[in-house]
Amino acid sequence: DGGITQSPKYLFRKEGQNVTLSCEQNLNHDAMYWYRQDPGQGLRLIYYSQIVNDFQKGDIAEGYSVSREKKESFPLTVTSAQKNPTAFYLCATTHRTSGSSYEQYFGPGTRLTVT
Amino acid sequence: AQSVTQLDSHVSVSEGTPVLLRCNYSSSYSPSLFWYVQHPNKGLQLLLKYTSAATLVKGINGFEAEFKKSETSFHLTKPSAHMSDAAEYFCVVSDRSPGAAGNKLTFGGGTRVLVKP
Repeated sequence: DGGITQSPKYLFRKEGQNVTLSCEQNLNHDAMYWYRQDPGQGLRLIYYSQIVNDFQKGDIAEGYSVSREKKESFPLTVTSAQKNPTAFYLCATTHRTSGSSYEQYFGPGTRLTVT
Repeated sequence: AQSVTQLDSHVSVSEGTPVLLRCNYSSSYSPSLFWYVQHPNKGLQLLLKYTSAATLVKGINGFEAEFKKSETSFHLTKPSAHMSDAAEYFCVVSDRSPGAAGNKLTFGGGTRVLVKP
């Protein structure tokens, strides 16, 4: 899990409530990512940020919002507009290893259950 | 555009026998390819990666994978399965085209490995 912290590990919310998932890193990596994982599926990209104060939509951004006010932090808010919010959420950072080669490091994840 | 297909959603092997997890990819540019492992309710751990150096890549825990451009494949193997190998495995492609924003990764659907005693 390296230097990426996600809290809490398990989160329960009622339908209609917004909820914010925390992601903190001490790796000094510039780029951070949020993925969603559903059973039987690979990870799908929600949002990513390559630098402080800048972020981009991924493949499934609807119903989510993010901020990147500090290099170390990239919180994800799951809004009430997200139709199926129950999932496992993974935060990641990217490190350039050489030239155009990159590696991604993943946090331990937060399992969100909305009822 | 890039995509990844993991040909088996589940693989069951006996302890001590070989493991083969199949992965095919498509990419518009010369790709980087990765295998990650995920144990239940955990994050993903990098097993190995290919980035245009040697086509046979050795990773952690005795795993290796071979990049075959002609077959657009990157299958993962291990000669002898251990009980601790029971997990889900993801094949991942990263498009290294110029300006590939944020080095987005595309994940396969995953292969769940069951190891029988």
